[in-house]
Amino acid sequence: DSGVTQTPKHLITATGQRVTLRCSPRSGDLSVYWYQQSLDQGLQFLIQYYNGEERAKGNILERFSAQQFPDLHSELNLSSLELGDSALYFCASSPGRLLGTEAFFGQGTRLTVV
Amino acid sequence: GQQVMQIPQYQHVQEGEDFTTYCNSSTTLSNIQWYKQRPGGHPVFLIQLVKSGEVKKQKRLTFQFGEAKKNSSLHITATQTTDVGTYFCAGRRGNTPLVFGKGTRLSVIA
Repeated sequence: DSGVTQTPKHLITATGQRVTLRCSPRSGDLSVYWYQQSLDQGLQFLIQYYNGEERAKGNILERFSAQQFPDLHSELNLSSLELGDSALYFCASSPGRLLGTEAFFGQGTRLTVV
Repeated sequence: GQQVMQIPQYQHVQEGEDFTTYCNSSTTLSNIQWYKQRPGGHPVFLIQLVKSGEVKKQKRLTFQFGEAKKNSSLHITATQTTDVGTYFCAGRRGNTPLVFGKGTRLSVIA
């Protein structure tokens, strides 16, 4: 158990809908990262938050947004969903601000868009 | 942008055989990390390499970072069925986000 909690574990929704994925980092970790994993693209970095502020942005679509709350949990919002958004979404946390420190991954949320 | 290529994509070995996966970056890296993801699981951090030419060992696993800090390898000696999974390298340049390779999926036949 990595100490990172993601909910829900599975999500099935229709195209055009909006969903929210939730992540609680390890106790004491200030950085939260979101990754998208699809079969042909591997692990794609989406965004990082550090202590409530956006720290780095990767290949995140405009339809996607995220935030980190004062209690350090984070939410990833995906809107106007398309079939191609079906993937595993991982949240990871680490103690530091630097992106290269060891990341602890949650179990992931498997999103299926039908 | 920065790219990290990993080969092979798949590797099937007999239990007891050795296994190696290679990681190549288009740019010089500050450090490289290796993760293992079991089937149906999440990536788990294995190790981080920082120095040019660095070699680290974890039991049957040997990790190397190239002299030019643009490539790395993971070698497993005498594979076991517990080694099954996908091995990812992830490289970072400066303070940019970690870029993951697409992984090498290892199957071990008992």
